[in-house]
Amino acid sequence: RKEVEQDPGPFNVPEGATVAFNCTYSNSASQSFFWYRQDCRKEPKLLMSVYSSGNEDGRFTAQLNRASQYISLLIRDSKLSDSATYLCVVNVMDSSYKLIFGSGTRLLVRP
Amino acid sequence: GAVVSQHPSWVICKSGTSVKIECRSLDFQATTMFWYRQFPKQSLMLMATSNEGSKATYEQGVEKDKFLINHASLTLSTLTVTSAHPEDSSFYICSARELARTPPYEQYFGPGTRLTVT
Repeated sequence: RKEVEQDPGPFNVPEGATVAFNCTYSNSASQSFFWYRQDCRKEPKLLMSVYSSGNEDGRFTAQLNRASQYISLLIRDSKLSDSATYLCVVNVMDSSYKLIFGSGTRLLVRP
Repeated sequence: GAVVSQHPSWVICKSGTSVKIECRSLDFQATTMFWYRQFPKQSLMLMATSNEGSKATYEQGVEKDKFLINHASLTLSTLTVTSAHPEDSSFYICSARELARTPPYEQYFGPGTRLTVT
């Protein structure tokens, strides 16, 4: 079983749509959670951290359910520029500070 | 701040040759650097973690004799792919972590190096 699992998509949505991505992680010792965005042939960029109480950054809302080991990302009012692959990432917070990446969910926003 | 560069950005080499990729932290001291590999339509897979001045820690399944990592200074780590084969063709990305950076898990990613072995 993969440590971090995501639906690969693609999610093909019209501009202005609301879209939600889900992610599950297997290691209950995971301490920190993130969503990264990766454009084609580019490095991943941190989109937002995910906190237990849920957090929002503009059109983006992230939720964490530790009991279910489940993370979500909601994007409202999708823009063409949101088209990318969204990576769910966890950190076990041991001395190695390793980040474990999910395989990503591809989003295509069409005009 | 917190800029990481990689060189080269892309490289094509013949099978059997070795390729060196450099990862530099430009405006901070990177006590730890991570090397990842990403195949098409797959996620980043951590290959190894290197701490300045010590041997790298390789992930399971990564051959340490094939992927040589050197982290000799606080601003430079190198990955050498020895005796490269076509199956080593991939996108190699490094990231760096700064000592005492808060939060400690924060990593800064380089732009990646695309390796094609013919």
